Amino acid sequence: EVQLLESGGGLVQPGGSLRLSCTASGFNFSSSAMSWVRQAPGKGLEWVSAISGSESGTYYADSVKGRFTISRDNSKHTLHLQMNNLRVEDTAVYYCAKEGSISVTQYDYWGQGTLVTVSS
Amino acid sequence: QSLLTQPPSASGTPGQRVTISCSGSSSNIGGNAVNWYQQLPGTAPKLLIYAINQRPSGVPDRFSGSKSGTSASLAISGLQSEDEADYYCAAWDDSLTGPVFGTGTKVTVL
Repeated sequence: EVQLLESGGGLVQPGGSLRLSCTASGFNFSSSAMSWVRQAPGKGLEWVSAISGSESGTYYADSVKGRFTISRDNSKHTLHLQMNNLRVEDTAVYYCAKEGSISVTQYDYWGQGTLVTVSS
Repeated sequence: QSLLTQPPSASGTPGQRVTISCSGSSSNIGGNAVNWYQQLPGTAPKLLIYAINQRPSGVPDRFSGSKSGTSASLAISGLQSEDEADYYCAAWDDSLTGPVFGTGTKVTVL
């Protein structure tokens, strides 16, 4: 059974930093591209960042480029999102998602999400 | 502001057919596959339809997807109470060089 478990969310002040983690199990993690998708309270879904299975490629939404860094540790089946210089508008539930192999925006498994609140 | 526009709401009575539209452009839906997600209240999104009209294992055949030009549609036939959820379309955008999600549609079963 595929499982994705996020952790690391919490309350942080504007300008602060937070590191999210996503622990994966039940599939070949090292060969799977992974993404972070967020959802602000009461709002829709927004893609944040993606990383290829081999770590050769990392991709970011313009809204987080230069502030967020995605990485992975294939030996520990773990995905990370380092978030620096956080803004109030980064407040959201952050989901990690496993990308499928057929269609580019095919996220076939999602974690339960971790809430990040940026507030003074 | 999302590049994929969906109606904010849709509704129907049990057993009815409901259709949700997703309007884009040549840089996203027009040239790329579309996927659909269902988000039940308080839960994570779930893949409902991928590559325009394919259903993952376990998704009832009441759900179907289609695409025409720069628009896509999700149809729910034989609407059931458990279908009450938010639905999102998604596609790659060649201009943004990134994924985009639709604005979302809340389906209510009357």
